[in-house]
Amino acid sequence: AQSVTQLGSHVSVSEGALVLLRCNYSSSVPPYLFWYVQYPNQGLQLLLKYTTGATLVKGINGFEAEFKKSETSFHLTKPSAHMSDAAEYFCAVTKGSNTGKLIFGQGTTLQVKP
Amino acid sequence: DVKVTQSSRYLVKRTGEKVFLECVQDMDHENMFWYRQDPGLGLRLIYFSYDVKMKEKGDIPEGYSVSREKKERFSLILESASTNQTSMYLCASSRPGGAGSNQPQHFGDGTRLSIL
Repeated sequence: AQSVTQLGSHVSVSEGALVLLRCNYSSSVPPYLFWYVQYPNQGLQLLLKYTTGATLVKGINGFEAEFKKSETSFHLTKPSAHMSDAAEYFCAVTKGSNTGKLIFGQGTTLQVKP
Repeated sequence: DVKVTQSSRYLVKRTGEKVFLECVQDMDHENMFWYRQDPGLGLRLIYFSYDVKMKEKGDIPEGYSVSREKKERFSLILESASTNQTSMYLCASSRPGGAGSNQPQHFGDGTRLSIL
């Protein structure tokens, strides 16, 4: 069965510092992985996705994630945090093949300090 | 851009009421989803529809039903609202998965529902 674990429900960084949000998954089929961001009082917005091919995926707003099959990880990074990055971030994996359904992690709230 | 519109941002209802949450998407997507979001639990799938009049239970369907009479509209129904259904409800849509299901889901802004 597929599952997603996000390590750390809250992460706090200083403005300009590296952002690292951790996501580990388990999947019985080749996974398709997604990162979403949710700003206050809004729905989820796609940041990036991994399907096949290049394991380093670039997304919007300067974020990127690397798919590491050996570590079953898909961590999200950004070299330099901005105040506007403060939000909740969700990692998700497809639930089986050809279903269109996703399983979401519990979410990580990113706080950016001035 | 895909637009998923949920009819209400905030809703307050009383226990025992029948509650309707409406969702409309404008991109002709086959798949539509209803989730509830609770702190520390992430998003949990309530129901999923892959075509008009077709539906499939998600992980937490108890106390809910859905209706999809038109492709663009997916309604969530709380048959008899209870206080434990107070939550944020999110609607999403996507194209069919195809091999590997790599189509992203597009979300509405959510409905914050309070049951008193």
